[in-house]
Amino acid sequence: DGGITQSPKYLFRKEGQNVTLSCEQNLNHDAMYWYRQDPGQGLRLIYYSQIVNDFQKGDIAEGYSVSREKKESFPLTVTSAQKNPTAFYLCASSDRVGNQPQHFGDGTRLSIL
Amino acid sequence: AQTVTQSQPEMSVQEAETVTLSCTYDTSESDYYLFWYKQPPSRQMILVIRQEAYKQQNATENRFSVNFQKAAKSFSLKISDSQLGDAAMYFCAYRSGNAGNMLTFGGGTRLMVKP
Repeated sequence: DGGITQSPKYLFRKEGQNVTLSCEQNLNHDAMYWYRQDPGQGLRLIYYSQIVNDFQKGDIAEGYSVSREKKESFPLTVTSAQKNPTAFYLCASSDRVGNQPQHFGDGTRLSIL
Repeated sequence: AQTVTQSQPEMSVQEAETVTLSCTYDTSESDYYLFWYKQPPSRQMILVIRQEAYKQQNATENRFSVNFQKAAKSFSLKISDSQLGDAAMYFCAYRSGNAGNMLTFGGGTRLMVKP
């Protein structure tokens, strides 16, 4: 079955450390997204990518970085510059530019040690 | 910038009854799309229903329907014959017709279904 795989499910970060969250899709979707979800809040867009080797900042990109070297992969790095990284992170995809996110991964919960 | 507001942090409904979740939004655009997403405890996001702003007819998907009031900028979700599996967080979302595929989400409403 096609879908989005996020790993790991739980991740812990030490102070001053960069961590990378994985997102892989086998849906052949062009567009991929990263969202952050905080308790009691909706999803906020961090970054999105519409094609390989191209990505755009969302509403809260500061302290995060992404890459899109392959169509099926869109990893998110939470850098040490992100001072409040504790949150739930969701990756999503859509089949083409202009469509809303149609598939979501199961998410990664990031916590600070 | 667009904003989406869900004024009900929590709602509860008796099984088999009907419940309505509220959503209002603020935009100066005429071309846009509205969505309701469901997030069960598994945290997976599931698209429930979609409404195009240019369509006057309210969208319906089985037990789920919307009341889209464009002039009032209101987009409520009605769940009929509520089932235990409907218990989840529900998010209203907005997407501009001109801005690619960026969604703006509301803060969510937690729906509890009582047996």
